[in-house]
Amino acid sequence: QSVLTQPPSVSAAPGQKVTISCSGSSSNIGNNYVSWYQQLPGTAPKLLIYDNNKRPSGIPDRFSGSKSGTSATLGITGLQTGDEADYYCGTWDSSLRKVFGTGTKVTVL
Amino acid sequence: QVQLVQSGAEVKKPGASVKVSCKASGYTFTSYDINWVRQATGQGLEWMGWMNPNSGNTGYAQKFQGRVTMTRNTSISTAYMELSSLRSEDTAVYYCARGYQIVATSPPGYWGQGTLVTVSS
Repeated sequence: QSVLTQPPSVSAAPGQKVTISCSGSSSNIGNNYVSWYQQLPGTAPKLLIYDNNKRPSGIPDRFSGSKSGTSATLGITGLQTGDEADYYCGTWDSSLRKVFGTGTKVTVL
Repeated sequence: QVQLVQSGAEVKKPGASVKVSCKASGYTFTSYDINWVRQATGQGLEWMGWMNPNSGNTGYAQKFQGRVTMTRNTSISTAYMELSSLRSEDTAVYYCARGYQIVATSPPGYWGQGTLVTVSS
C-alpha cells in the first residue's frame, strides 16, 4: 500500500552504525523534502529528521538524514539499546498528500 | 510546551461513525496544520488527511475521500476527525499531529497520544 519502500529490518551491535533506506519516485521523494520518525513500542511516532537532513531540537547528532534523487537514508551512529524501535520515512506526493514508508525495525544485538 | 490531547478509546459497530477530538495547547492553534494518521495493530503509519485550522481547508487521502471529515472549533483549540461507514479494517490507533513548522508542507512534528478505535459487531 505504501509508495515508499524501506527494508523490513536492520540490526547491529551497540556502538555500531546502521543505515535505513527509503526508496520512492520522482512524484514524491524526488521533488519533496523527506522526514524520518522513530516509534518506540507502544508510543506515538517522534520526528527525528525533517527537510531531508535537519534535526529538531533535542534530537542527538547520532541521527542523520540524507537524500539523493528518489531515495533517502537515515543513519544512526553509536547505536544504543534505547534506539530499538520502528523507523518510518515520510514525504509529500505531487498532490500534496503525505506518504509514509513501509517501516523498518531496528534491533540492537 | 506543545500538547495535543486526544479523546478516549471508542468501540463502534460496523456501519457506525466515530468522531475523535484533539485538543491543542501551548501554541496558537490556528497557525499550524493538523494531520491525522492511523496505525492498525502491527502495521505501519497511514496518513488520512490534513486540515488548516485557520481557514478550515482540508485535504484527504484518496482512500478516505467521502468517508472522513476533518473539522475544528477554534474557540476551544480543538480539531476533530470523523470517520463514517466503519468496518473492521478501520480498527486502529488514530493520531492527530501538528505540523512542525508553520509552512503548509511541514511534516507532523508534535503528536497526540493516540485514540484506539475498535470496530466490532
